[in-house]
Amino acid sequence: DAGVIQSPRHEVTEMGQEVTLRCKPISGHDYLFWYRQTMMRGLELLIYFNNNVPIDDSGMPEDRFSAKMPNASFSTLKIQPSEPRDSAVYFCASSGTAKSNTGELFFGEGSRLTVL
Amino acid sequence: GENVEQHPSTLSVQEGDSAVIKCTYSDSASNYFPWYKQELGKGPQLIIDIRSNVGEKKDQRIAVTLNKTAKHFSLHITETQPEDSAVYFCALHTGTASKLTFGTGTRLQVTL
Repeated sequence: DAGVIQSPRHEVTEMGQEVTLRCKPISGHDYLFWYRQTMMRGLELLIYFNNNVPIDDSGMPEDRFSAKMPNASFSTLKIQPSEPRDSAVYFCASSGTAKSNTGELFFGEGSRLTVL
Repeated sequence: GENVEQHPSTLSVQEGDSAVIKCTYSDSASNYFPWYKQELGKGPQLIIDIRSNVGEKKDQRIAVTLNKTAKHFSLHITETQPEDSAVYFCALHTGTASKLTFGTGTRLQVTL
């Protein structure tokens, strides 16, 4: 399996621009998570989905952030408008199958966002 | 919600020595305690985990111990090697929730 695939790997944009990060989870996984990593705050859970349905979005910082999962193989995290404090590495992770969920998260390699 | 504290934030050991990282938590309902290793430029990867019905688990040079009474769990790496240099995160999982809460991370440096 190719693992969790994220794009873009790096994004540099200017304040006020819209940013869209993309994720393809491991085929067959039922859960998809979006995490943000910064030096100051570590790894923060933003939102997670189960079977394409958002379950907990309490970590989404504000209305500028939105996430969707239109089907089992694709999710997006959108920031509009972006601000310099959104600069971070954004990770997508997936876990679990219908038959067995060990709890292990499989992370992508992350999308490093820089907002100037 | 869940809270997990991780110490130390940085750790430097000489090759061949042991390294110990400790995490404490507050929610007694926590039942799953994984450890993740993050190498530079990559996402975290699970290296070992333990569930609340077990006190210790070992996998070659790494081991995890859990003290449910004191609400802490630790990662032990023996005979450290340069390739063990990375950031290590503890995490925990409570009840039926499927999400993990991560500690703040420990940057381990193994020097020659």
